[in-house]
Amino acid sequence: GAGVSQSPSNKVTEKGKDVELRCDPISGHTALYWYRQRLGQGLEFLIYFQGNSAPDKSGLPSDRFSAERTGESVSTLTIQRTQQEDSAVYLCASSPTTPDYEQYFGPGTRLTVT
Amino acid sequence: GNSVTQMEGPVTLSEEAFLTINCTYTATGYPSLFWYVQYPGEGLQLLLKATKADDKGSNKGFEATYRKETTSFHLEKGSVQVSDSAVYFCALSRAGHTGKLIFGQGTTLQVKP
Repeated sequence: GAGVSQSPSNKVTEKGKDVELRCDPISGHTALYWYRQRLGQGLEFLIYFQGNSAPDKSGLPSDRFSAERTGESVSTLTIQRTQQEDSAVYLCASSPTTPDYEQYFGPGTRLTVT
Repeated sequence: GNSVTQMEGPVTLSEEAFLTINCTYTATGYPSLFWYVQYPGEGLQLLLKATKADDKGSNKGFEATYRKETTSFHLEKGSVQVSDSAVYFCALSRAGHTGKLIFGQGTTLQVKP
């Protein structure tokens, strides 16, 4: 079946602009995660959604970052007033449930802020 | 806090050499431990996992044993192939929590023929 998909695959934006990144999880997966991977570094957790429960936003680096998910469907990660330090690959993962089930990762969105 | 430390790369080996990538962790409670792999041009995928002390995860000839006494989860393979060239990430998730993964910084493995 289809895996996790993300769009766009690449995004170049000017400093100060807003960007929106999209994630389509695997159908039926209740858990959805966003991570960020800066060049040469490991992945940093950003936010977690589980069904209709309140999301865990503990990893969001600033109030310029927000994310939404309706039910068990698509999620969008929005970065307002982008800064150069926001340049990274943004990865989305979904899982049938938590806590120990495998997370399936999408291909990522490479964001470059100029 | 919770953290994962991996040996720095890149690691360069000849084909059929023995591989060890060290991983140690700091965590409260009893985390689950994972190795993820990212092949060139591909997405991140789970390689193996272990959910309790002394468990051994294995897949594709790779193995890692959950060592609580040394807080380690070293990745090993007896004979690497060129196709094993990739970036390897050690990660943990805390039991009973959201399942969010805490990753090490990744280790690049290059296998030469």
